[in-house]
Amino acid sequence: KAGVTQTPRYLIKTRGQQVTLSCSPISGHRSVSWYQQTPGQGLQFLFEYFSETQRNKGNFPGRFSGRQFSNSRSEMNVSTLELGDSALYLCASSLPGGFGYTFGSGTRLTVV
Amino acid sequence: QQPVQSPQAVILREGEDAVINCSSSKALYSVHWYRQKHGEAPVFLMILLKGGEQKGHDKISASFNEKKQQSSLYLTASQLSYSGTYFCGGMGQGAQKLVFGQGTRLTINP
Repeated sequence: KAGVTQTPRYLIKTRGQQVTLSCSPISGHRSVSWYQQTPGQGLQFLFEYFSETQRNKGNFPGRFSGRQFSNSRSEMNVSTLELGDSALYLCASSLPGGFGYTFGSGTRLTVV
Repeated sequence: QQPVQSPQAVILREGEDAVINCSSSKALYSVHWYRQKHGEAPVFLMILLKGGEQKGHDKISASFNEKKQQSSLYLTASQLSYSGTYFCGGMGQGAQKLVFGQGTRLTINP
């Protein structure tokens, strides 16, 4: 079966712009989590969605937001981009309750 | 609070064993282990649920000590393919938030 699909794979944006990243989970997976990965900070939790509801949010500023659609696809948005937002953004999907996560290949965002 | 992994890095020769530890200051319901190779996404290895069971497949196994809130990943007779960064992730009871440790870089040399 198809894995987790993230688009786009690479993105270059200018400071102050906004960006939207997309994640299509494995069919049947209703939970989608987002992570920011940087060399210095590792995998930092952004938020988790289940059935279109955000159930958990990490310690990121309000510029980071997300949503989930009825087909479980999820998007995350970053407004007013800063240089420090340059990172690999990973999404992961899972079945509820005690199952592992399947990660997408990520979107590498570079802010210049 | 993110779990703390140790060691931060390990270099082994093929065939040697390795242990990676993961410690949490918060009570965990489950511990996940993932391996990430350079330029690739993290790949799920195993999950350990509250109850202290030990799991494993092939030559990779793990344990979870609830009393100490510690998990360990055991890699025996390591192969070159085991190289990568290993992450443990902890999830609290009723929480749908998997928080990862900082990672342990494992290098296996021939």
